[in-house]
Order: sequence, then C-alpha cells, then structure tokens
Amino acid sequence: GIQVEQSPPDLILQEGANSTLRCNFSDSVNNLQWFHQNPWGQLINLFYIPSGTKQNGRLSATTVATERYSLLYISSSQTTDSGVYFCAARGVANAGKSTFGDGTTLTVKP
Amino acid sequence: DAGVTQSPTHLIKTRGQQVTLRCSPKSGHDTVSWYQQALGQGPQFIFQYYEEEERQRGNFPDRFSGHQFPNYSSELNVNALLLGDSALYLCASSLAGPTKQYFGPGTRLTVT
Repeated sequence: GIQVEQSPPDLILQEGANSTLRCNFSDSVNNLQWFHQNPWGQLINLFYIPSGTKQNGRLSATTVATERYSLLYISSSQTTDSGVYFCAARGVANAGKSTFGDGTTLTVKP
Repeated sequence: DAGVTQSPTHLIKTRGQQVTLRCSPKSGHDTVSWYQQALGQGPQFIFQYYEEEERQRGNFPDRFSGHQFPNYSSELNVNALLLGDSALYLCASSLAGPTKQYFGPGTRLTVT
C-alpha cells in the first residue's frame, strides 16, 4: 500500500514565525487531507487537497501530485497553533483506505 | 447539522473481555471508516463499511469486526482484548468514493 512520510517530526517556533510542514507519499493519490489533532484527540479538518493550492486565513496548502508531495504553510504562528498535524492520503489503487503519516508536533512559544 | 458522534467517550476493560464501540455518521454520509490510534502514532486504518458491507480492511486480526446498519451508523467490536488494544478509536464518515472524511471525537479504550 501507499507509504506516507511527514517531516519534520518536531518543530518549535516563536510566536509570529512562519513554518512549512511536508508530506511525501509513495504512489498516486486521489484524496489527501491535512488535519490538526487537538489535545483531546479530535482530528480537525484543515484542507482537502488532492492537488493544487488552497488558502484559509493564515494557513495554506499545496499538493504537487505529479511529484508526490504536499506542503502545509502556517504563517504568523500563534500559541493556539500548537499540536500535532497529520496528513492522510488515499492511493488510487486502494481508494477506501486512508494512510496517515506519523505527524509533525508543532510547539509555538509565546 | 450534527457531525460524527461516537460513544462511549472512555472505556476501561479487562484483558480477555469484549468491547463494542458505536459511531453515527455525519448527516447525508453513507460510508464509515474505523481507525486505531496508539499513543504517539498516526491513526491506522481498521476497515471501512459501505452499504452494510465491509468494503476494505487494514492489517488487523479477525478479533476486530464491525457492522453497519441501514441508517449508516456503525459498530466496531473487539474480542479477546489484549493490553495492546489500548488506544484511541476514531470513526470517520464520508460519501462513497475519494471524498473528504470527517472524524468523530473518538473513544479512548484502556485495557488492564
């Protein structure tokens, strides 16, 4: 099945800094989502982005399907951005199953 | 419009027992997927249900089984619980096909 790798595993920033989180996947995808997991375990949808670029406030994401990666940008980070960020991909050949990366743990310091 | 709901929120069981977790999908969704998330890891796909049938399965033993009802709600059953089954169990709903998944708040299972 498809393999998903996220980097970096951990990221520590000062409030106001910008960051880029990366998600590499090993095969063609027809579904890619970015999530933020809150301290209680709830996965919050950030972007549904199998290809192209989307923006939502301080967050934006780009998926380059032909090169098999996706990037999540966080600008002017705030302490409330802290938490674990996951990407999840569904391979074209395995459309029912989403494979998650191991996540990036972001800590934003005041 | 209610989102995905799961019950119970927390559960403590003894090794060897059986457990049933429940999920109600987002209104209008017909597909339910279950995931297991161990501490410090990403969620792992268990299986997916569509039209009351198991459509796809991840690398989980037969102790893990499920069911989908005509109203699209779903149950996850785990038999002969092991200590390693302690985890957060997440349910996601979607429309059929490569569409956006919405996750419930999860059930935290502790096996002692």
